[in-house]
Parts: sequence; structure tokens; C-alpha cells
Amino acid sequence: ETGVTQTPRHLVMGMTNKKSLKCEQHLGHNAMYWYKQSAKKPLELMFVYSLEERVENNSVPSRFSPECPNSSHLFLHLHTLQPEDSALYLCASSQAGLGLHNSPLHFGNGTRLTVT
Amino acid sequence: AQTVTQSQPEMSVQEAETVTLSCTYDTSESDYYLFWYKQPPSRQMILVIRQEAYKQQNATENRFSVNFQKAAKSFSLKISDSQLGDAAMYFCAYRSGDGGSQGNLIFGKGTKLSVKP
Repeated sequence: ETGVTQTPRHLVMGMTNKKSLKCEQHLGHNAMYWYKQSAKKPLELMFVYSLEERVENNSVPSRFSPECPNSSHLFLHLHTLQPEDSALYLCASSQAGLGLHNSPLHFGNGTRLTVT
Repeated sequence: AQTVTQSQPEMSVQEAETVTLSCTYDTSESDYYLFWYKQPPSRQMILVIRQEAYKQQNATENRFSVNFQKAAKSFSLKISDSQLGDAAMYFCAYRSGDGGSQGNLIFGKGTKLSVKP
């Protein structure tokens, strides 16, 4: 039990498919994150939802669409992806707010996405 | 913009020995936080240790300790009495101390640590 649960663990999809990644946190945190982890590259922040405010990374293509219906759930909707989008997608949560900047991120096990 | 550099793509250590992983960062901020995360084959990123920049004392967590050199912008991780379970990717991460970063962590590329029995 990690506290942050991601499903599915593995996903193979074609470039014309539409799929969604799901993340759920059971830690009572109020901030959630999507990171992309590609080989030989640092983890890249994609999206943050913090205190109900969405912070968007402008370099993320529109074929990735996040959704955060409440503080415990986070989705990443995928459509018309490219092979270079194949990567490990990690979800994380933390407690955000004044005086809490040393609060660590808690990560899920990730979804290994392969785009064919 | 802040950057984090891990100059050692791979490291190896003998079981029960000590190993040090290097990390340097670049920032113009005076208030920030530094972290080391471990990612075993299970893929989950696990917090190993954290350091507040305003604290002069180096953080320690059991067999894990850091050497924080603020002036040099260096934040190395020392693992003592290495165990087979320590084998993993280790990531150094930076978090701004201001309120505008949304708590985002900036990661280095990681160091793959192997432990030889």
C-alpha cells in the first residue's frame, strides 16, 4: 500500500486510441502532480493541481489533458499520442501551503506507457 | 531557472562499504529545500532524506547522510554499510522555498547504484 495508487500499471496503445491514466491518493494531501520519466532524461513536470489551482506547463502538448475532480483523484487523458510519448508516467501528491515547502512528494508506482 | 546536476550516471559499491553520490545545483534563491529520492525496480520513488537550506547541520537518516555545502551548491549523499537493497536509481531534487513554485521538484538525471555481494 503506497498511499498513491496508479492504474493501469502498463498500457499499450495505438496512435489513434484514447485512453486515461488514473491516480488516487489516500494521504489527505491537497496537491497532485503528473511527471513524465523518459530514459536518460530528468523527470519532467507535466501538470500540478495545488489548492484547487491548476498550474500548466506550457510545453506539454494538447494531446495530454489532465483532470482533477477532487483532491484525491487525478487523471491524465491521452489521445492521438506519438511514439515519442512512450515513457513512465508518475503521479505524486504532497501537502501544499505556507510553511510546507519541505513536505515531500509521495509517488505512485507509475504507468508504463507504450505507443505503437 | 534552477538546475540539478548529477555527474555520475552509474556507481558501484561493495556490500557493507560506503559510497557517496554527487549532486550540484544552480539557483539564485536563498530559501530552498533539497531531497534525495530512491527508485528501485518497482519504479516507486521513495524519499531517502531531505535538507532545508537554512539549516547548517547536515541531515541524517540511519545509514544515509548528506554533505550539504551551500556556498558550493553541493548536496552529496553518503550511504554507509551498503546493503543489497540499496541498489536503485538515486535522484537528487530541488524545491524552491517561495510560494510560486506550487511545490514542484526539479530533478537531476539520476545515478544508478549497484551493490556487489
